Amino acid sequence: GAVVSQHPSWVICKSGTSVKIECRSLDFQATTMFWYRQFPKQSLMLMATSNEGSKATYEQGVEKDKFLINHASLTLSTLTVTSAHPEDSSFYICSARSGQGTDTQYFGPGTRLTVL
Amino acid sequence: AQSVTQPDIHITVSEGASLELRCNYSYGATPYLFWYVQSPGQGLQLLLKYFSGDTLVQGIKGFEAEFKRSQSSFNLRKPSVHWSDAAEYFCAVLDWGATNKLIFGTGTLLAVQP
Repeated sequence: GAVVSQHPSWVICKSGTSVKIECRSLDFQATTMFWYRQFPKQSLMLMATSNEGSKATYEQGVEKDKFLINHASLTLSTLTVTSAHPEDSSFYICSARSGQGTDTQYFGPGTRLTVL
Repeated sequence: AQSVTQPDIHITVSEGASLELRCNYSYGATPYLFWYVQSPGQGLQLLLKYFSGDTLVQGIKGFEAEFKRSQSSFNLRKPSVHWSDAAEYFCAVLDWGATNKLIFGTGTLLAVQP
């Protein structure tokens, strides 16, 4: 199946700094990418949806100025957590889809963010 | 509102025993349903999906799921569980809209004992 990578796999940063997470579709063109947040022992919560070349669509309650999403190409999307705080510590997962709604979403392995 | 419920947070089965993971959905139209598995350190992997047609869907790794509209259910089954099946399993429904996003259940953690 299609492969989606994330980098870094884990990151530790100080409170107040910004962290960028990359999501790449390695063998297909992703017209749509999704960013999720997963708390321990909980489900995936969709944060935002991004289409290549367009502004991301954020879910209700997600601060767009804090979680900056860029989808500059068909194979790369980035999530930047700005002015990170300890409560932003979580597991961030991206997924990518090549076509329309019924097409399979392929998930990255996730990025563990710890804010000290 | 669309939602997915997985009633069982944690299930333990013996290796070789049969498995059924429950999933109930709430969706106004015909649902597009998915089962994903998440293993530690790996991304979610699609096990199977249901869009239309035969209500019994076959997936990878010997899994199958049955769509029952009358019960709003899409339960995942496997006749004989292997130790490597220990993982977290998520049921999801496709929410048609501007972004065509997946709505996930809370997951079921499967433990397999020897």
